[in-house]
Amino acid sequence: DAKTTQPPSMDCAEGRAANLPCNHSTISGNEYVYWYRQIHSQGPQYIIHGLKNNETNEMASLIITEDRKSSTLILPHATLRDTAVYYCIVRVGGYSTLTFGKGTMLLVSP
Amino acid sequence: GAVVSQHPSRVICKSGTSVKIECRSLDFQATTMFWYRQFPKKSLMLMATSNEGSKATYEQGVEKDKFLINHASLTLSTLTVTSAHPEDSSFYICSARVTEGQRVETQYFGPGTRLLVL
Repeated sequence: DAKTTQPPSMDCAEGRAANLPCNHSTISGNEYVYWYRQIHSQGPQYIIHGLKNNETNEMASLIITEDRKSSTLILPHATLRDTAVYYCIVRVGGYSTLTFGKGTMLLVSP
Repeated sequence: GAVVSQHPSRVICKSGTSVKIECRSLDFQATTMFWYRQFPKKSLMLMATSNEGSKATYEQGVEKDKFLINHASLTLSTLTVTSAHPEDSSFYICSARVTEGQRVETQYFGPGTRLLVL
């Protein structure tokens, strides 16, 4: 059963903010939201993760709704190199494995 | 973030031969590493979990005698595809788990190995 739902594809203009949504309505109290991305023919790259508070790092911001049933990954100023498949994954923060869904293909255009 | 390397990045072999892929954690020790496989236009599928000093745990449907995993040290895990056939051609990716405070584990991935079996 899919734990997360993401749109299959999104477009974004270079320099604009990219907002990638993710629904995880069945998330448990001890499950974290992780975001990875995979550029074509490369291994996945860790972006960010959070439990219930919003998080920000040098790559992106993660906004989690108060009920934790959905989240949004924000790339504040998208570049062409941000074109990739973005995966939203929920997992227990301890020792569970990562299960990848189909993700969102983000295409950043000039 | 933590750095994971893989070698080789690309390999072509003849059907029936064996191929070894190495996965190394460069700046940290990893008691647990993971091996994934990805077919074209598909998502990553977990093959097995590799634990240092013990036997790997394989996912359902993955043949342990065909995909030999050895995790002999805290920085190295190897995947050997034995008697490779064309249907084994795929993108193989390893990852290692890092504890980052408050018992939260984050996985970092290698760049992947493209295997083509002729």
